[in-house]
Amino acid sequence: EPEVTQTPSHQVTQMGQEVILRCVPISNHLYFYWYRQILGQKVEFLVSFYNNEISEKSEIFDDQFSVERPDGSNFTLKIRSTKLEDSAMYFCASGLDVPTNEKLFFGSGTQLSVL
Amino acid sequence: GNSVTQMEGPVTLSEEAFLTINCTYTATGYPSLFWYVQYPGEGLQLLLKATKADDKGSNKGFEATYRKETTSFHLEKGSVQVSDSAVYFCALKKVGYSTLTFGKGTMLLVSP
Repeated sequence: EPEVTQTPSHQVTQMGQEVILRCVPISNHLYFYWYRQILGQKVEFLVSFYNNEISEKSEIFDDQFSVERPDGSNFTLKIRSTKLEDSAMYFCASGLDVPTNEKLFFGSGTQLSVL
Repeated sequence: GNSVTQMEGPVTLSEEAFLTINCTYTATGYPSLFWYVQYPGEGLQLLLKATKADDKGSNKGFEATYRKETTSFHLEKGSVQVSDSAVYFCALKKVGYSTLTFGKGTMLLVSP
């Protein structure tokens, strides 16, 4: 079965540094997402991306966050100036037609640790 | 707003025991309901879903019934295996939207 691939699996960074989390969604998918899970808390929605633009974002997704799909295959999440509270597992997901309940495919996550 | 509440884990069972993981939700309208599973080192995978009241989703011996009157979607399996050890996430999605709202996840540990 096709997979969503995320790199790196672990990222350690200093507070205030920029990080880019990378994802390769499944090739024919149209909907792309970032979710995150802070240890012990719920999986939280960050942003959805469709038709080359952000379609929805949560309150968490402030000006420090941005997403790009630069070359039609990669889907990146950038955090401009990391904070301690950004430490979490970040999941990328993609789907073909999610509003009609076609399933989402998730990557295995990037564990971000901000020191 | 929408929210999902799952029972706290870990749930520890012996092989062949009966499993229930409770999930209740709060949502406007009639959301679709999902169970996702995350095996160690892997991404979340859709386990089963139900899109309307009284629907039963099932897969790999797991079942969950959409109960509108109790706003619940409890996951059950009659006889768990060691290979079922994973984290299980309950989630909802409003019809026509693409965003999932997840619970915290419940870790299941099955011993031989």
